[in-house]
Amino acid sequence: DQQVKQNSPSLSVQEGRISILNCDYTNSMFDYFLWYKKYPAEGPTFLISISSIKDKNEDGRFTVFLNKSAKHLSLHIVPSQPGDSAVYFCAASAREYGNKLVFGAGTILRVKS
Amino acid sequence: KAGVTQTPRYLIKTRGQQVTLSCSPISGHRSVSWYQQTPGQGLQFLFEYFSETQRNKGNFPGRFSGRQFSNSRSEMNVSTLELGDSALYLCASSGTPDTQYFGPGTRLTVL
Repeated sequence: DQQVKQNSPSLSVQEGRISILNCDYTNSMFDYFLWYKKYPAEGPTFLISISSIKDKNEDGRFTVFLNKSAKHLSLHIVPSQPGDSAVYFCAASAREYGNKLVFGAGTILRVKS
Repeated sequence: KAGVTQTPRYLIKTRGQQVTLSCSPISGHRSVSWYQQTPGQGLQFLFEYFSETQRNKGNFPGRFSGRQFSNSRSEMNVSTLELGDSALYLCASSGTPDTQYFGPGTRLTVL
C-alpha cells in the first residue's frame, strides 16, 4: 500500500514566487519526514527534514510544515529560483524500521523565469 | 567531509549474470541503505545495514543480497539478472534518523 503520497505530479511557478509542495501519509508510526530534490540519473539531494514532535522547520529558503492530525506535510520554497526546477520527493521513516525511507512518487517542479 | 561514493557509476550486463555494486558512506556513518529506482515503481527500499548487520529488508527476491564491512563500506549483489533489474541503484548513508545522504547511484542496464 502507498503509505506516502504526493498527489500533484507537477507544479509550475513563476520565479520569485512561493512554491508549495504537498505530501500526505497514512502511517501514524512515522517519526521523521524528509524532503529531497532529484535530477534524472542522479542521487537525491537532501533538503530538509522534520521530526514528528515538531510542526515547523526552516532552513534558508526552505520551510517544512507538519500537520500530524491531518497526516499532511508541505515544503515551501521562497523565493523560487529557476535552479529549483527538479523532482521533489517526500520520504518518511519510523524508528522501529531503522532508517528505512518510504518515498512518495515525486512532484516535478518547474520554475519559470 | 567527503560525500557518499558509489562504484561503478554505469554497468551493462546480460540476463543470467550477476553483479556487485559498492558504496562508501560518509565517514563516521554506520548505517547504509540501498534503494532501487525504476520509472514504474519509483524509489523502493532494498535493505539497510548497521554495524555490519542487516537491520531491515524490503520486499525483494532473495537474488538481491548485501553486506557491510567493518569500515562501514557496503556491497550489494544481484544474482541471475533479469531484464526488470535494470534500474538506478542508490545507496544512502545516515548518521542520525533525520538526515540521510544519497550517493550518485549506479545505473545498471540488463540486456
